[in-house]
Amino acid sequence: QSVLTQPPSVSGAPGQRVTISCTGSSSNIGAGYDVHWYQQLPGTAPKLLIYGNSNRPSGVPDRFSGSKSGTSASLAITGLQAEDEADYYCQSYDSSLSEGVFGGGTNLTVL
Amino acid sequence: QVQLQESGPGLVKPSETLSLTCTVSGGSISSYYWNWIRQPAGKGLEWIGRIYTSGSTNYNPSLKSRVTMSVDTSKNQFSLKLNSVTAADTAVYYCARLSGHSGWYPFDYWGQGTLVTVSS
Repeated sequence: QSVLTQPPSVSGAPGQRVTISCTGSSSNIGAGYDVHWYQQLPGTAPKLLIYGNSNRPSGVPDRFSGSKSGTSASLAITGLQAEDEADYYCQSYDSSLSEGVFGGGTNLTVL
Repeated sequence: QVQLQESGPGLVKPSETLSLTCTVSGGSISSYYWNWIRQPAGKGLEWIGRIYTSGSTNYNPSLKSRVTMSVDTSKNQFSLKLNSVTAADTAVYYCARLSGHSGWYPFDYWGQGTLVTVSS
């Protein structure tokens, strides 16, 4: 049972917009800690996609965006492409555990 | 460009010790926290622990009794030992760099991962 809750799967057609939610609590996201997102393509290591809630590392397309509100965060992907098919993980910090925590991951299928 | 590479046995017997090393290239190992994260097949990411270049460590409470991490700055390497392994420890093990000096920072560089299977 992950501290951060993500939907197991989402899907969308090419060109569409999809969002992936990450729900936490008052000891992590709700406490003001940043949320980071990772993309894990099949058979590869996770790659930092969004950091500090809404910032993109160099080289990440602006089709990917992040936001945070209250005890939740979201990753939005616009102009969906076949190459976006991957698992996506959110990460934050939990003050009750005194450690970083991951969401359970969301598998994105491009129809 | 910082690169991380895990190395170590791919097969470990039950009750024995899993040992992995991560070699950092393209940058200094100094002044960062270095982490181990694992992922069982088809499952999510589990943080194992981290070590600073001073040798200071933080471990996941659920694994703390079995984990030891060390660092060798002269070789730009850090290591993981997990003792008394069982089949539940079978996973892909990643090493990763924490981009800041606290647990709320993201992991900005990752190794490619190495599969460790626990089986007799």
